[in-house]
Amino acid sequence: QKEVEQDPGPLSVPEGAIVSLNCTYSNSAFQYFMWYRQYSRKGPELLMYTYSSGNKEDGRFTAQVDKSSKYISLFIRDSQPSDSATYLCAMSYNSGGYQKVTFGTGTKLQVIP
Amino acid sequence: SQTIHQWPATLVQPVGSPLSLECTVEGTSNPNLYWYRQAAGRGLQLLFYSVGIGQISSEVPQNLSASRPQDRQFILSSKKLLLSDSGFYLCAWSVLFPVNTEAFFGQGTRLTVV
Repeated sequence: QKEVEQDPGPLSVPEGAIVSLNCTYSNSAFQYFMWYRQYSRKGPELLMYTYSSGNKEDGRFTAQVDKSSKYISLFIRDSQPSDSATYLCAMSYNSGGYQKVTFGTGTKLQVIP
Repeated sequence: SQTIHQWPATLVQPVGSPLSLECTVEGTSNPNLYWYRQAAGRGLQLLFYSVGIGQISSEVPQNLSASRPQDRQFILSSKKLLLSDSGFYLCAWSVLFPVNTEAFFGQGTRLTVV
């Protein structure tokens, strides 16, 4: 079983739709939860990170963490064509003074104008 | 502000040739440095990480090696490339908890071994 599982997609939605992206994990040591956005042929860029269960909102983006279910989500409201990208979830914990980060495989999102 | 430089952006190399990819970080001291490989449908695979000069840990046995000759320089190398080494290579850095836990990525090097 992979430590982090992510729906690969692709996911195609009309402009203005609410998008839900999800990851599950098996390692209860994970403490920090992140979402990265990666445009084609570019490095990933951090969108949001959180370290507690619950919701964290930033503009049109909401990150949700449920540690009891080992499940995290990213919601995008009023999706735009510029949101078309691959979204990677990532999780980390401190291992001997170093942040061990594990990434999901990414979900490719396409927002249709 | 912190920046990360990675080069080259694209590289085409023949099988059996050597490889050297370089990554440098500016604006921070003693970062944790990482090399990842991203293959289609497989996500980001951690290859090497370093918590300090000369300190390299390998996550996966590879035809690759890494070195950290200076605090903010991380180099990925191979003596003889294999076809299976093709992929998108990403350098990243992070600092320790609790201030920052996220990793910041370079723009990547797309390596094609032919």
